[in-house]
Amino acid sequence: DVVMTQTPVSLSVSLGGQVSISCRSSQSLVHNNGNTYLSWYLQKPGQSPQLLIYKVSNRFSGISDRFSGSGSGTDFTLKISRVEPDDLGVYYCGQGTQYPLTFGSGTKLEIK
Amino acid sequence: QVQLQQSGAELVKPGSSVKLSCKASGYTFTDYAMKWVKQRTGQGLEWIGVIDPEIDATAYNEKFKGKATLTADTSSNTAYMELSRLTSEDSAVYYCTRYGFWGPGTMVTVSS
Repeated sequence: DVVMTQTPVSLSVSLGGQVSISCRSSQSLVHNNGNTYLSWYLQKPGQSPQLLIYKVSNRFSGISDRFSGSGSGTDFTLKISRVEPDDLGVYYCGQGTQYPLTFGSGTKLEIK
Repeated sequence: QVQLQQSGAELVKPGSSVKLSCKASGYTFTDYAMKWVKQRTGQGLEWIGVIDPEIDATAYNEKFKGKATLTADTSSNTAYMELSRLTSEDSAVYYCTRYGFWGPGTMVTVSS
């Protein structure tokens, strides 16, 4: 199975600040078709996860441009700029390149 | 708009089975595969498996083979997951999700 390693486990940021979350996979996430199926999700307290970013850097419908994804191969980053109160929750990366699909263990974002 | 409506919370006895449902609306049910994800309280996300309703094909995480059975009814646009031989380890919230959208989850509690 592809192991997804997220860092940090938690972070605290001031409103208006910027944060980065790292996600590393144990194997390349480049699919045979050339696509890289790395997604980012946010799970707000008491809610289901929601898709933020798909295929490394594509924002899902309705997602603010304050969220950006980058990376390739096995190394990926989610950046959140101008942090707002509604951004708090747990962020997960997930890979869809290979079965079984796997997720990182999550990064908890707290607002100072 | 896309909606995934999941069945209500279940309290079930050890050794029994339970069948969860996920009714889809707002899109063509057969256009998207439906995945199921497990989340134990305070824990991360685990992919259980996926069903393609169009061709009734399934793929499972090895960990859940023999535990979960995925089916779909295209006449009612509903996906199902049956969990068998339940133990306390199966107590969790179970989500159905298709590309970009997640259901609200069904909490399953296994207790005598």
